[in-house]
Amino acid sequence: KQEVTQIPAALSVPEGENLVLNCSFTDSAIYNLQWFRQDPGKGLTSLLLIQSSQREQTSGRLNASLDKSSGRSTLYIAASQPGDSATYLCAPQTGSQGNLIFGKGTKLSVKP
Amino acid sequence: NAGVTQTPKFRILKIGQSMTLQCTQDMNHNYMYWYRQDPGMGLKLIYYSVGAGITDKGEVPNGYNVSRSTTEDFPLRLELAAPSQTSVYFCASSYSTTASYEQYFGPGTRLTVT
Repeated sequence: KQEVTQIPAALSVPEGENLVLNCSFTDSAIYNLQWFRQDPGKGLTSLLLIQSSQREQTSGRLNASLDKSSGRSTLYIAASQPGDSATYLCAPQTGSQGNLIFGKGTKLSVKP
Repeated sequence: NAGVTQTPKFRILKIGQSMTLQCTQDMNHNYMYWYRQDPGMGLKLIYYSVGAGITDKGEVPNGYNVSRSTTEDFPLRLELAAPSQTSVYFCASSYSTTASYEQYFGPGTRLTVT
């Protein structure tokens, strides 16, 4: 059974710092991995999708990497801003039906 | 483009009552999903559908039912609500399940059972 762990559970940084969020998963047989952002009381916003054949994906200040064989993904946020404050969730797709397995998330707070 | 919409946004139910959570997507996606998110926990899959008329159970289906009569709609039915069903419910959709297609989520329905 796929299990997803996200470390750290919470992170507080001053504005402008570069930071790394970590995600590990136990079953390397994944189709892809998505990173989401969730604001308090809101739905999930997809940030990046990395296909299982890819090593890296970039969107603006965000860069996500995937090491499928070791069961790890990282989300790198450059030059953090207060508007980046949110909970970040990673979710590998394990089944052919598309169901995602979620970690508990990393709650990020960026202080002005 | 509205994407994935869910109604209602909030609902309070008494134990034993029933209700239907509505989910609609306007992206012509074949695949639709219902997840629940308990406080401090990751989302868990309740039911999913691979197309109109086809549904299947996810990880936590007990106490729920679904139907998929059209491509656009995927309602989730709660029968005999219990306090353990207090949660935030998210509907999602995807065009395909191949590696390059992402899932899009609705804004969620916050349900309290007392």
